[in-house]
Amino acid sequence: GIQVEQSPPDLILQEGANSTLRCNFSDSVNNLQWFHQNPWGQLINLFYIPSGTKQNGRLSATTVATERYSLLYISSSQTTDSGVYFCAVEGTSGTYKYIFGTGTRLKVLA
Amino acid sequence: NAGVMQNPRHLVRRRGQEARLRCSPMKGHSHVYWYRQLPEEGLKFMVYLQKENIIDESGMPKERFSAEFPKEGPSILRIQQVVRGDSAAYFCASSPSGAATNTGELFFGEGSRLTVL
Repeated sequence: GIQVEQSPPDLILQEGANSTLRCNFSDSVNNLQWFHQNPWGQLINLFYIPSGTKQNGRLSATTVATERYSLLYISSSQTTDSGVYFCAVEGTSGTYKYIFGTGTRLKVLA
Repeated sequence: NAGVMQNPRHLVRRRGQEARLRCSPMKGHSHVYWYRQLPEEGLKFMVYLQKENIIDESGMPKERFSAEFPKEGPSILRIQQVVRGDSAAYFCASSPSGAATNTGELFFGEGSRLTVL
């Protein structure tokens, strides 16, 4: 099945810093989403981005499907950005389910 | 709130008891997915259901676990004779489409946290 790798596994930032999170996947995908799991365990949809670039406030994401990766950019980080960021992909070969990466654990220090 | 609703939010069971977790998808969604998250790990796919049909249960343990999504009412994930290793967060997600098209965007509930004593 499709493999999803995220990097870095852990990241510590000072408030106000910028960061880039990466998601590599091993096969062609129909769909890709980025989620933020906050410290209370809730999964929050950030981007539905099978291809192209999207922006939402301080966050933006780019997926280059032909090269099998996606990037999540966080600018001017805040302590509320802390948590785990997951990339999830749905392959093209009739799987009809999303496979999650292992996540990037982000801690933003005040 | 038109989001994915899961209950109970927290459930404590002793070894050997049964756990039943419920999920009502978002309004207009007819495709339900269950995922399990062990402590400090990512989410693992368990099962994909449509109304009255199990489409893909490749992530379900072969024994003690079952899922259903009846014509009326919520989807149920049932774990019989629970063991300590079943302690985890169980998340339900729904999407507006599924097999025969692509899945579309997934929306998750807040999860049910099962603790087995």
